[in-house]
Amino acid sequence: EVQILETGGGLVKPGGSLRLSCATSGFNFNDYFMNWVRQAPGKGLEWVAQIRNKNYNYATYYAESLEGRVTISRDDSKSSVYLQVSSLRAEDTAIYYCTRGRGDYWGQGVMVTVSS
Amino acid sequence: DVVLTQTPPTLLATIGQSVSISCRSSQSLLHSNGNTYLNWLLQRTGQSPQPLIYLVSKLESGVPNRFSGSGSGTDFTLKISGVEAEDLGVYYCMQFTHYPWTFGGGTKLELK
Repeated sequence: EVQILETGGGLVKPGGSLRLSCATSGFNFNDYFMNWVRQAPGKGLEWVAQIRNKNYNYATYYAESLEGRVTISRDDSKSSVYLQVSSLRAEDTAIYYCTRGRGDYWGQGVMVTVSS
Repeated sequence: DVVLTQTPPTLLATIGQSVSISCRSSQSLLHSNGNTYLNWLLQRTGQSPQPLIYLVSKLESGVPNRFSGSGSGTDFTLKISGVEAEDLGVYYCMQFTHYPWTFGGGTKLELK
């Protein structure tokens, strides 16, 4: 059974940083691209970043609105993907979801609140 | 960026009624490899999005066949043939033919 579990969310002050983790199991992690998607309270879905697999040299792609403030990375030995977000702003407050490949599996999400 | 416009924003239906949701793209979603990367998702209240359809018309595993997807190029449709109570929530179309991936604004399906 495919499982995706995000951790690392919480309350952060504006200007702070956060590292989100996404632990996966139940599939061959090495074969898949991985993505982060976020959803602000009461709003729609926004793609944040993607990291490809080793076959594609772990290429990364970012939403332009976040580029320069986010870094996606992965550890194939741990079947995990990470999202480092810095210079956090109130508008980064959202549920952050980790998704597999073409979006066929989603985690339950982790809440990030940016507030003083 | 590709803009996906979903209509209607809200859909009122009775149980058993058939409904359709439209998703129009600002540019063609046909990839150079011949695939069209258009998905449909359902997000029930308080839950994470659940994938329903990929590549325009292919049902994800476990999705009831009352759901169907169609379309090509820039115009796509999700049809529910006989709404059931468990189908209520917000439906999103999503494209990943082009970076950045983008989502439609959502269509909320409610009971009439």
